[in-house]
Amino acid sequence: DAGVIQSPRHEVTEMGQEVTLRCKPISGHNSLFWYRQTMMRGLELLIYFNNNVPIDDSGMPEDRFSAKMPNASFSTLKIQPSEPRDSAVYFCASSRLAGANTGELFFGEGSRLTVL
Amino acid sequence: KNEVEQSPQNLTAQEGEFITINCSYSVGISALHWLQQHPGGGIVSLFMLSSGKKKHGRLIATINIQEKHSSLHITASHPRDSAVYICAVSVNNNDMRFGAGTRLTVKP
Repeated sequence: DAGVIQSPRHEVTEMGQEVTLRCKPISGHNSLFWYRQTMMRGLELLIYFNNNVPIDDSGMPEDRFSAKMPNASFSTLKIQPSEPRDSAVYFCASSRLAGANTGELFFGEGSRLTVL
Repeated sequence: KNEVEQSPQNLTAQEGEFITINCSYSVGISALHWLQQHPGGGIVSLFMLSSGKKKHGRLIATINIQEKHSSLHITASHPRDSAVYICAVSVNNNDMRFGAGTRLTVKP
């Protein structure tokens, strides 16, 4: 299996621009998570989906952030408009809700975002 | 006070030493995770446990639910074990809270 695939790996953009981060979970996994990691705050859960349905988005910092999961194999995290304080590494992870290794997290490599 | 506290924040050891990293939490959990983040940034799940003890190679993780405490042990440490180790707890199944991480450096 290819694991969780995120793109882009790195993005540098200017303040005010729209940023879209993408994630392909492991096939057969039915939970998907978006996390943000910064030096100041460490890892934080932004939002997670079960069976493509957003369950808890209380970690999403502001209305500028939105996430979608149109099908079981694809999710996006969008920031519009972006601000310098959004600079961070954004991780996507997936897991199973039931069956073998339920709940074990598999992380993507992360997308490093720099907003100038 | 953070819901998940790790200690120590930083740890330097000589190759071959036995290492212990501690994690205490203050919320009800359904599971506890130990994650490893290498200097390149990737995160790998080492253990997920809800009771007792698990072992994988030179790594051992224990949890005491009554005391809300978990430990990660590394036996015969090696420079390639150098990484940040993060304790995370699952609250209400998928909501997760993270510790600040322990930066381990193992010197040859």
